[in-house]
Amino acid sequence: GAVVSQHPSWVICKSGTSVKIECRSLDFQATTMFWYRQFPKQSLMLMATSNEGSKATYEQGVEKDKFLINHASLTLSTLTVTSAHPEDSSFYICSANQNEQYFGPGTRLTVT
Amino acid sequence: GQNIDQPTEMTATEGAIVQINCTYQTSGFNGLFWYQQHAGEAPTFLSYNVLDGLEEKGRFSSFLSRSKGYSYLLLKELQMKDSASYLCAVRAEDSSYKLIFGSGTRLLVRP
Repeated sequence: GAVVSQHPSWVICKSGTSVKIECRSLDFQATTMFWYRQFPKQSLMLMATSNEGSKATYEQGVEKDKFLINHASLTLSTLTVTSAHPEDSSFYICSANQNEQYFGPGTRLTVT
Repeated sequence: GQNIDQPTEMTATEGAIVQINCTYQTSGFNGLFWYQQHAGEAPTFLSYNVLDGLEEKGRFSSFLSRSKGYSYLLLKELQMKDSASYLCAVRAEDSSYKLIFGSGTRLLVRP
């Protein structure tokens, strides 16, 4: 099956700094990728749809200036959490679409 | 609006059968997915239904009724490793194919 990777798998940063998370489709091209956030014991909440070569589409309530998404190639999308705060601590998961969605392994972000 | 409901938690015994229900009310429908997620890991695909009826895949089966906005995931011959969260997700009808997830059902399998 198709493989999606994420980097880093976990990151700890200080409040006020920015963190970049990468999502790569390893063996297929994906014009569309999705970014989710998951808090403990909760389900996945879609944050935005990342479109290759165009602007991302954000879900209602997600600040586009805080969560910057760049989908510069058919195999890479990045999510940058700017000016991170402790409440941004969460599990961030990306997925890439190829008939069905394939999920990356997730990135655990802890903001201290 | 979009609404997908699942029971929060279920408990079952090893070797038994368990049915996890999912009801949905969405503005569009282009298929329903079931995923399994172990704590701290990404979801893994279990099943996909787009037409009414039952899809069977080994110990796992999934059923869909579009007219009722209802699906269930059936797990047979439960094993301890089946303890996980089970997520029901609906694919929107638009071209982006984004998924809307339910809150998930935490299943605990006991010996």
